[in-house]
Amino acid sequence: DAEITQSPRHKITETGRQVTLACHQTWNHNNMFWYRQDLGHGLRLIHYSYGVQDTNKGEVSDGYSVSRSNTEDLPLTLESAASSQTSVYFCASSAGGPGTGELFFGEGSRLTVL
Amino acid sequence: GENVEQHPSTLSVQEGDSAVIKCTYSDSASNYFPWYKQELGKRPQLIIDIRSNVGEKKDQRIAVTLNKTAKHFSLHITETQPEDSAVYFCAADSGGGADGLTFGKGTHLIIQP
Repeated sequence: DAEITQSPRHKITETGRQVTLACHQTWNHNNMFWYRQDLGHGLRLIHYSYGVQDTNKGEVSDGYSVSRSNTEDLPLTLESAASSQTSVYFCASSAGGPGTGELFFGEGSRLTVL
Repeated sequence: GENVEQHPSTLSVQEGDSAVIKCTYSDSASNYFPWYKQELGKRPQLIIDIRSNVGEKKDQRIAVTLNKTAKHFSLHITETQPEDSAVYFCAADSGGGADGLTFGKGTHLIIQP
């Protein structure tokens, strides 16, 4: 069955280290998104992509980067991890044109920055 | 950009009663308004959505209403059951869809037995 998977599911790192969270989907969806979820803030958009080589900044993009070299993957990189980036990160994908369809979320990656 | 406000943050209802969650949005270009349910420790999942050319949509015990003039939309759950306990998020597309979905901060719905 088609799916969207994230790895690692849990990670503990130290301030200043570079961290990459992987996201892989097998639906052949054009659209992929990264959200962070924090208590009291809901889901906030970090970066998104509407196709290969396309990337866009979301509401809370500072300190994060993404690249889209193929349809299936959208890795999220924290260049220099900060304690404020401790969060649960969700990757999502959708079909069709931008903003037109259901988001399918991965299971989430819990990141702790010490 | 889009701003979505959601109320209440916590809602406790007796099993069998109805629950209503309300959201407002700021971007008049928004056309798509989905609702997601997130059970504890799980991923958010779409439960119902509505587009701007429709005022109301129903799916069994769940309904969503949209008032584009007032820029608000609501989720209605009737005959609530224990499995309805979860966090519910409303969302609106930003920039007419070009800028992804903006979510509200969520409502923790508690169904009291």
